[in-house]
Amino acid sequence: NAGVTQTPKFRVLKTGQSMTLLCAQDMNHEYMYWYRQDPGMGLRLIHYSVGEGTTAKGEVPDGYNVSRLKKQNFLLGLESAAPSQTSVYFCASSLAGVIAETQYFGPGTRLLVL
Amino acid sequence: AQSVAQPEDQVNVAEGNPLTVKCTYSVSGNPYLFWYVQYPNRGLQFLLKYITGDNLVKGSYGFEAEFNKSQTSFHLKKPSALVSDSALYFCAVRDLYNFNKFYFGSGTKLNVKP
Repeated sequence: NAGVTQTPKFRVLKTGQSMTLLCAQDMNHEYMYWYRQDPGMGLRLIHYSVGEGTTAKGEVPDGYNVSRLKKQNFLLGLESAAPSQTSVYFCASSLAGVIAETQYFGPGTRLLVL
Repeated sequence: AQSVAQPEDQVNVAEGNPLTVKCTYSVSGNPYLFWYVQYPNRGLQFLLKYITGDNLVKGSYGFEAEFNKSQTSFHLKKPSALVSDSALYFCAVRDLYNFNKFYFGSGTKLNVKP
């Protein structure tokens, strides 16, 4: 099993450009998450999904959109990138219905917005 | 609201010495607490979790954590540190009212010197 994979690994954008980050998992997990990691701030939840076709907002959803058209994929979109969105983005997944189930993380995508 | 705090940005320890990485939590009700480790340019990896029961939880790579309800703490410990333990460590708590959400601390960088 590949676990959780993310593409691309690194990207440079100019302000105003758009892009989509792809997360894929092969563990048949119901729940999927997008986080951003910034120095000294830990991980902050952007959006999450509890199943195919459903999404919900996390702590810092502004400027991002997501879609979960297939159970194994969770896409994070930036419609008009801003320098404040420079960050490392992590996708995670977990089983549903288990209170203390752990999350499995992808390797991350480094995004630089100029 | 659920939250965790990691009071130390960095912990330095000599190889072979015991290590402690501190975490305190703030939750209403029983907490579900986690420790994750992040190696450079990698995603987070699960170390251990506390759900209920024994206050001393054993996890991966020889790590353990002690749950202390009176002090609202969940410190990560290891009896004898290795240089390879050098990494970024995150404490996390699961939201009791929305199990889909996790809240992460800001992270503690552990430096183990030979």
